Amino acid sequence: SQQGEEDPQALSIQEGENATMNCSYKTSINNLQWYRQNSGRGLVHLILIRSNEREKHSGRLRVTLDTSKKSSSLLITASRAADTASYFCATKTIQAGTALIFGKGTTLSVSS
Amino acid sequence: SAVISQKPSRDICQRGTSLTIQCQVDSQVTMMFWYRQQPGQSLTLIATANQGSEATYESGFVIDKFPISRPNLTFSTLTVSNMSPEDSSIYLCSVTDRASTDTQYFGPGTRLTVL
Repeated sequence: SQQGEEDPQALSIQEGENATMNCSYKTSINNLQWYRQNSGRGLVHLILIRSNEREKHSGRLRVTLDTSKKSSSLLITASRAADTASYFCATKTIQAGTALIFGKGTTLSVSS
Repeated sequence: SAVISQKPSRDICQRGTSLTIQCQVDSQVTMMFWYRQQPGQSLTLIATANQGSEATYESGFVIDKFPISRPNLTFSTLTVSNMSPEDSSIYLCSVTDRASTDTQYFGPGTRLTVL
């Protein structure tokens, strides 16, 4: 079963603009991770944020986590055409040893 | 981070046949997982491959349809048995390494088309 729900489902922006994707989940989590997938290929791990963290940065990426609202957001600043991809949030529940549960994903298109 | 390879990268198969997908990791890993991604969809966990014991399957997936082996800490196979067109998907192997049991790394995937 799917834990996360991303919105929007699709996002189209111009190069240089910022892109914000949101993720909501249902059950308590240990951590939340964001992944990128280019055109049906393997997933690339972007960033992990733990349940006791509120914000993390990695290069042009900024992730926030609000456990009270069971939601997270991924901000990509100064987007580039190469950022065009599908982005998924995935949650790891507090049960030990469980795998990630993925949301439906946001398809980002950045045009030059 | 672990480097994961999968074979084959893609295949086109006839219905009723079976395909075995291999997943090889360049280092020993604690957990290995198999996911399915149907066209235009997100990832769904099929099973956790346990070293030295039977895999743990998620609801909706059974061993007869998706037998899994994991003979050691660096290798696993997933077989898609008695295939039908509904099995056309990307199948992805994923691992957590010993350094961090939180971050999951993914292989490049196997794109399967069943005619």
